[in-house]
Amino acid sequence: EDQVTQSPEALRLQEGESSSLNCSYTVSGLRGLFWYRQDPGKGPEFLFTLYSAGEEKEKERLKATLTKKESFLHITAPKPEDSATYLCAVPTPFGNEKLTFGTGTRLTIIP
Amino acid sequence: NAGVTQTPKFQVLKTGQSMTLQCAQDMNHNSMYWYRQDPGMGLRLIYYSASEGTTDKGEVPNGYNVSRLNKREFSLRLESAAPSQTSVYFCASRPGLNSPLHFGNGTRLTVT
Repeated sequence: EDQVTQSPEALRLQEGESSSLNCSYTVSGLRGLFWYRQDPGKGPEFLFTLYSAGEEKEKERLKATLTKKESFLHITAPKPEDSATYLCAVPTPFGNEKLTFGTGTRLTIIP
Repeated sequence: NAGVTQTPKFQVLKTGQSMTLQCAQDMNHNSMYWYRQDPGMGLRLIYYSASEGTTDKGEVPNGYNVSRLNKREFSLRLESAAPSQTSVYFCASRPGLNSPLHFGNGTRLTVT
């Protein structure tokens, strides 16, 4: 059973067109949700950690929010350099040492 | 600081050959991890080491072995490579529980 599902799989936006990416999870007793950005040919780069429903974190044009069942990554007025794959991850029920990753949303910003 | 360094960056093996992927971190992190990333599958945990001297299996450990050589280094060994092990392998580290992972830039392995 999938514990982390990301949607959409791919998203193409015009420069300046705001949107949101979704990460839904089925793990109970959430002990943190992580967002990463991955550029082609590179390893994932950490963006945010969210721990409790209602929490929000911001970084430049990105804002991450968390509810009891899902997290959103809001992208406001994106630029071409925001193009990347965005991954979310949660600790598994079997121990905080293991993180389960979603398959990611591939975001393309068209100039 | 270099962060997490993986070698080699690319490798091609024939079926049945063996090799070791190297990983080193200079951030004094306690925990280290090996993931593989395949299209449509996401990142899957192979093995991890919660602290120096300990290793544990992850989600997909079959066909792999690991060694936590010291606090800095965590290697992944393929004893007899198979085409199903064609993948991109990422090493990661973090200070401890509930802290974010720091990833290397990966090793792209092709097994023919």
